[in-house]
Amino acid sequence: EPEVTQTPSHQVTQMGQEVILRCVPISNHLYFYWYRQILGQKVEFLVSFYNNEISEKSEIFDDQFSVERPDGSNFTLKIRSTKLEDSAMYFCASSEATGAPKGSQHFGDGTRLSIL
Amino acid sequence: DAKTTQPPSMDCAEGRAANLPCNHSTISGNEYVYWYRQIHSQGPQYIIHGLKNNETNEMASLIITEDRKSSTLILPHATLRDTAVYYCIVRARVGGYQKVTFGTGTKLQVIP
Repeated sequence: EPEVTQTPSHQVTQMGQEVILRCVPISNHLYFYWYRQILGQKVEFLVSFYNNEISEKSEIFDDQFSVERPDGSNFTLKIRSTKLEDSAMYFCASSEATGAPKGSQHFGDGTRLSIL
Repeated sequence: DAKTTQPPSMDCAEGRAANLPCNHSTISGNEYVYWYRQIHSQGPQYIIHGLKNNETNEMASLIITEDRKSSTLILPHATLRDTAVYYCIVRARVGGYQKVTFGTGTKLQVIP
């Protein structure tokens, strides 16, 4: 079964540095998402992306965050100047089509971001 | 999206059926019931969804009450690998993107 893949699995970065998290969504999917999960807390929506633009973003997704689909396969999340509170698991997801029943999202196994 | 209520935790003996309840009393007519699970340290995994009819796939069965105010996810023969947090999510079919709003879910512990 096709999978969403994320790299790296673990990223350690100094506070204030820029970090890029990478995702390869399932190839025929059209909608892309980033979520994060701070240790011990709920999975939180960050942003959705369709047709090369942001569809929706949460209040967490402020100016330090950006997303990009630089080519036909990758989907990236950039955090410009990392803060300690950015430490979390970041999950990428993709979905095939809008609305149920085809709208179920497929998640990657995440990148654990640790800010020192 | 309508609010859902789930018990925080449940235990189930290995090999037995695990029945995970979910209340969604404010569900509206165009909202579907979705179930996801998150095994420790992994990304959430889609399990099943339904509108008003009962549904079954290779992973689980979903039973939705006639008034649609509650549902039950059934794992027919739970294994240790089914130990996870299970999320019941209600959301409408909308045009365009579909973010998933996760609650706290039910932590299912399958016991040997």
